[in-house]
Amino acid sequence: QKEVEQDPGPLSVPEGAIVSLNCTYSNSAFQYFMWYRQYSRKGPELLMYTYSSGNKEDGRFTAQVDKSSKYISLFIRDSQPSDSATYLCAMSDRLYGNNRLAFGKGNQVVVIP
Amino acid sequence: DTGVSQDPRHKITKRGQNVTFRCDPISEHNRLYWYRQTLGQGPEFLTYFQNEAQLEKSRLLSDRFSAERPKGSFSTLEIQRTEQGDSAMYLCASSDGVGTGELFFGEGSRLTVL
Repeated sequence: QKEVEQDPGPLSVPEGAIVSLNCTYSNSAFQYFMWYRQYSRKGPELLMYTYSSGNKEDGRFTAQVDKSSKYISLFIRDSQPSDSATYLCAMSDRLYGNNRLAFGKGNQVVVIP
Repeated sequence: DTGVSQDPRHKITKRGQNVTFRCDPISEHNRLYWYRQTLGQGPEFLTYFQNEAQLEKSRLLSDRFSAERPKGSFSTLEIQRTEQGDSAMYLCASSDGVGTGELFFGEGSRLTVL
């Protein structure tokens, strides 16, 4: 079983819709949870960062972490064509020292104008 | 541009040849990481440097792979006797290790082994 599971199926939504993405994980030591956005042929860029369980909101983006279920989610409200990208969940058990990240496979999201 | 810089962006080589990739991290970042990403997969950790010391290597880093960061600034990743299975995007990231410890990724070096 991989440490992080993310159903890699592509997702196409109309502009303005809510996008819902999620990951599950098996390593209970993970404390730091991130969502990265990766545009085609570019490196990943940090979108959201959450420590332990809880919710975090940043503009149109909301990240949720449920450590009891080992489940994290990302919601994108009022989706825009510029949100079209691959979204990768990532997590770590160490903030300092080696912040080795375990990534999911990513979800390709296409927002149709 | 003060981001993470990688070179070359794309390398095509024949099986059995050696290739080397270079990464220039953000100047004040003392932590440097190499990841590998294959098509349809998320990045996988390869190795980690703190300053010039290589402190952790993944078991994915076979004996044909070697990474260095000689002066604690830029880093190189060399792959010897390349195999078709080495075809991937090699991503470099750097971090200052404070605050969120965010990793800043470069745009990657894409390797195609024929």
